[in-house]
Amino acid sequence: RKEVEQDPGPFNVPEGATVAFNCTYSNSASQSFFWYRQDCRKEPKLLMSVYSSGNEDGRFTAQLNRASQYISLLIRDSKLSDSATYLCVVTLAGTALIFGKGTTLSVSS
Amino acid sequence: ETGVTQSPTHLIKTRGQQVTLRCSSQSGHNTVSWYQQALGQGPQFIFQYYREEENGRGNFPPRFSGLQFPNYSSELNVNALELDDSALYLCASTTGSRAQETQYFGPGTRLLVL
Repeated sequence: RKEVEQDPGPFNVPEGATVAFNCTYSNSASQSFFWYRQDCRKEPKLLMSVYSSGNEDGRFTAQLNRASQYISLLIRDSKLSDSATYLCVVTLAGTALIFGKGTTLSVSS
Repeated sequence: ETGVTQSPTHLIKTRGQQVTLRCSSQSGHNTVSWYQQALGQGPQFIFQYYREEENGRGNFPPRFSGLQFPNYSSELNVNALELDDSALYLCASTTGSRAQETQYFGPGTRLLVL
């Protein structure tokens, strides 16, 4: 079983839509959780950290459920510029970021 | 921009050759990690260097090796290249040795092995 699993998509949505991405992780000892965004042929960039209490940054809301080992990302009012691959990332006690394969989002006008 | 630079941007090698990739960390960052991202996959952790010492390693064979220099720049060396080594190689720098610290990625080096 992969350490971090994501639905690869692609998710094709119109502008203004709400889209949700899900991610599960296998190791209950995972300590930190993040969503990264990666544009085509570019490096990953941190989108937001994820906390059990949930956190929101503008149109983006991230949620963590430790009991279910489940992480989510909700994007409201999608923009064309949101088109990218969204990577779910966890860490254990060490130094490595453990990435999922990513979920591709395509927002069309 | 993250302030992390990598060179070269693209590279073509043949099987069996050796390659050295370079990374210049963001100013003040003493920790650098290297990741391999194959096409259609998420980045995979290769290893991390903290203050010039290896500080964690992923599931990569010994032919993947690295160095960190006193100015905190870094190298990734890969010997005996294989076709499956074709990938985007990313370095990421941060201020500490814990994964919880925000890591800033460079633009990557695209390696093609023929």
